[in-house]
Amino acid sequence: DTAVSQTPKYLVTQMGNDKSIKCEQNLGHDTMYWYKQDSKKFLKIMFSYNNKELIINETVPNRFSPKSPDKAHLNLHINSLELGDSAVYFCASSSSGRASGANVLTFGAGSRLTVL
Amino acid sequence: QKEVEQNSGPLSVPEGAIASLNCTYSDRGSQSFFWYRQYSGKSPELIMSIYSNGDKEDGRFTAQLNKASQYVSLLIRDSQPSDSATYLCAVRGNNFNKFYFGSGTKLNVKP
Repeated sequence: DTAVSQTPKYLVTQMGNDKSIKCEQNLGHDTMYWYKQDSKKFLKIMFSYNNKELIINETVPNRFSPKSPDKAHLNLHINSLELGDSAVYFCASSSSGRASGANVLTFGAGSRLTVL
Repeated sequence: QKEVEQNSGPLSVPEGAIASLNCTYSDRGSQSFFWYRQYSGKSPELIMSIYSNGDKEDGRFTAQLNKASQYVSLLIRDSQPSDSATYLCAVRGNNFNKFYFGSGTKLNVKP
């Protein structure tokens, strides 16, 4: 039973196209994230939602638009894809709060996007 | 300056040796510290978390935290070839929902 699942796992598309990645978690977490991992393995946060509310919006081109219909789902839509968007996009989730054991990130398997 | 810095490696150690991985962070208000392991083509998986100064041991892994020096380390004893992976240091700052990652250290354990 996969805790954080993302679809699709692989996405190959042409420049200028629009694509979406979907994420679902069954851990009962209230916070979900999108991270981008480039070819040098650097994991950079893009967005975070807490209970459907956008709480983190890093410096990301507005071609990227996240949506969270409920706290178990987080989608990422990308318009007008560019070559530099090629990366692995990871969805993650955690439970919020100040307790030291609460905030641990659990990652999905990743979605590898290749823009040609 | 990046929030979390790691030596990218690769770090090569022989099987059975101790591997030592290091990480520094810039935000003095950081609350929690994590080590994730990422195999090639896979997602990061949590191996250790540490929240207070000192050492925390879990099997062959020991995490060490020194908040005064803003330094976190991971020791892997009796290194195995299966430990070969990229190790990512992550720090949770004052914003409890924000996790910053280092760029990872690639570890090679040679049989």
